[in-house]
Amino acid sequence: DQQVKQNSPSLSVQEGRISILNCDYTNSMFDYFLWYKKYPAEGPTFLISISSIKDKNEDGRFTVFLNKSAKHLSLHIVPSQPGDSAVYFCAACDFSGNTGKLIFGQGTTLQVKP
Amino acid sequence: ETGVTQSPTHLIKTRGQQVTLRCSSQSGHNTVSWYQQALGQGPQFIFQYYREEENGRGNFPPRFSGLQFPNYSSELNVNALELDDSALYLCASSPQTENYGYTFGSGTRLTVV
Repeated sequence: DQQVKQNSPSLSVQEGRISILNCDYTNSMFDYFLWYKKYPAEGPTFLISISSIKDKNEDGRFTVFLNKSAKHLSLHIVPSQPGDSAVYFCAACDFSGNTGKLIFGQGTTLQVKP
Repeated sequence: ETGVTQSPTHLIKTRGQQVTLRCSSQSGHNTVSWYQQALGQGPQFIFQYYREEENGRGNFPPRFSGLQFPNYSSELNVNALELDDSALYLCASSPQTENYGYTFGSGTRLTVV
């Protein structure tokens, strides 16, 4: 049972335009979410996070939006740059049992074309 | 400040064999988690170690086991390897168990033939 889902395996955008990556989750107990970026042959690197007490968090070109009622979050990248081309993972942090484990989606491969 | 380092980077094993993967945590991080990433999937939580004890486990069989050492480095051991164990194994460290500031290593690519 996939608790965190990224339904778009891939996304292609033109340099300078907006990239929107989507993520849905099923467990309403999740209250902290993260986005990671992964290049080939590297581990995931933390990008941005959001707590359920907020509906938006910005960091430079990256903004994450959270819609708790819809159990949906999205990552906006504006403007997109070729260096943003990577696999993006959405993750929910499950704090149950004193273990802050991450529940990841399947990932979305973003390609930014020059 | 050094990051999380994993060894080896690649490994090929035969079905039924045993394997040990190693991870050195980022300096100051006392919590280590291991994840398995199958091809085309997101990473899946295997288990977490805090102060040398396992304090959380995902849906993995007992043949997946681990250790954490006093210097917070860690090992992942897999016995009786199966073909489906072929995956990228990621180690992540954090300053404490409920801190989401995980730093991931580059992973070990395990191929079981």
